[in-house]
Amino acid sequence: DQQVKQNSPSLSVQEGRISILNCDYTNSMFDYFLWYKKYPAEGPTFLISISSIKDKNEDGRFTVFLNKSAKHLSLHIVPSQPGDSAVYFCAASAYMAGNQFYFGTGTSLTVIP
Amino acid sequence: KAGVTQTPRYLIKTRGQQVTLSCSPISGHRSVSWYQQTPGQGLQFLFEYFSETQRNKGNFPGRFSGRQFSNSRSEMNVSTLELGDSALYLCASYPGEGTDTQYFGPGTRLTVL
Repeated sequence: DQQVKQNSPSLSVQEGRISILNCDYTNSMFDYFLWYKKYPAEGPTFLISISSIKDKNEDGRFTVFLNKSAKHLSLHIVPSQPGDSAVYFCAASAYMAGNQFYFGTGTSLTVIP
Repeated sequence: KAGVTQTPRYLIKTRGQQVTLSCSPISGHRSVSWYQQTPGQGLQFLFEYFSETQRNKGNFPGRFSGRQFSNSRSEMNVSTLELGDSALYLCASYPGEGTDTQYFGPGTRLTVL
């Protein structure tokens, strides 16, 4: 049972434009959400997180939006750079459910120079 | 603060053998989780250890086991290796209580011949 879903396996964006990566979840108990970036043969690197008490969190070029009623979160990268090309995973956890982290299947982002 | 370390980084084994992977979490982190990533797949959760006890477990056969020591270091063991066990094995640590971020090590690339 996939509780966190990333329905777009891949995304291509021109350099300088906005990249929008989407993630949906099914468990309403999730209260903490994270985005990770992963290069091949390396471990995922933490990018940005958001608590369920917020609907937006910004860190430089990266902004995460959370829509709890739709059980949807998105990661915006503006402006996109070629070095952003990687696989992006969203993850969620629920403090009251043992804090296990659930990951989506990832979206491969390619930023075209 | 040093990050999460995993040893060895690369490993080649043959079918039927067993293997032990090691993970040292970030200092002060009491939770260690293990994930398997195969080509084209997301992160499949294996298990989580907190204060030397298995707290969560994924849907993997009993050939996959783990343990955690009093210094929070963790080992993962796979017995009777199969070709399908070839994967990148990732370890992640986080403080273990409350809402916080999970940080990953670089992974161990296991190849089963």
